[in-house]
Amino acid sequence: QVQLVESGGGLVKPGGSLRLSCAASGLTFSDYYMSWIRQAPGKGLEWVSYISSSGGTRYYADSVKGRFTISRDNAKNSLYLQMNSLRAEDTAVYYCARRGVELWLDYWGQGTLVTVSS
Amino acid sequence: EIVLTQSPGTLSLSPGERATLSCRASQSVSSSYLAWYQQKPGQAPRLLIYGASSRATGIPDRFSGSGSATDFTLTISRLEPEDFAVYYCQQYASSLYTFGQGTKLEIK
Repeated sequence: QVQLVESGGGLVKPGGSLRLSCAASGLTFSDYYMSWIRQAPGKGLEWVSYISSSGGTRYYADSVKGRFTISRDNAKNSLYLQMNSLRAEDTAVYYCARRGVELWLDYWGQGTLVTVSS
Repeated sequence: EIVLTQSPGTLSLSPGERATLSCRASQSVSSSYLAWYQQKPGQAPRLLIYGASSRATGIPDRFSGSGSATDFTLTISRLEPEDFAVYYCQQYASSLYTFGQGTKLEIK
C-alpha cells in the first residue's frame, strides 16, 4: 500500500532554514507528481507547492515563492522541501501528498510539525 | 487567484440527517477541477470527491458532489457517526491549487 512519511520538522528561529523530507513506498514514485500542503495550528489547509514526476516543473503558492524550494530524488523515492527565510506564519504541520492521475491529492502522509519561534 | 468560500462555517446535525455543504468560487471553475476532502482530528485529509461529482476509491455512496461554474455542493445523504469532521473544497486553475476555509460538521 502507498505510504508517505514526512520528517525533518522542528523548532527554528525566524529567518532560519529547514529541510523537510518525504519518503515514499508502495508506489512507482517516478510516475507521480507530488505536492506539499500545510496546516497552521487550528487553521485550514494551504497548498504550498508541487513538482512534476521528472522534477522539471515546479509551482509554488505566492506565500512561499522565492523562499521555499521543492525537489525530488526518484532514485531514493523521496520528496523534499527546502524552507529558507522562515517566518512565524510558516508555523504549521506540513503534509506531503501524491497527486493522482486525476490531478487530486489521493494519498497523504501524517505530517511533520514546523514551529518558527524565537 | 480563485478564492473558494465555504458555508456554513459550522453545521450541527444529528446522525441519520442529510448534510449539505456549499463551496462558492470567486470565478468560474471547470467542474473537472473541483474536489472535496474530509479531515478528522489528528489525521491527514482524505480525498472524497474529484471532478465535482466522482467519488474517490472506497468512498461510500452516501457522499455525493454536484455543481458547476461558481457553485458546488457536497451532500451526505444520511449521516453516520464517523462523518463528523471538517470538509474542504479544493480547486485547480492556472497550475495552482487553492482550498476553501473548511466547514466543520459537528454532532448536534
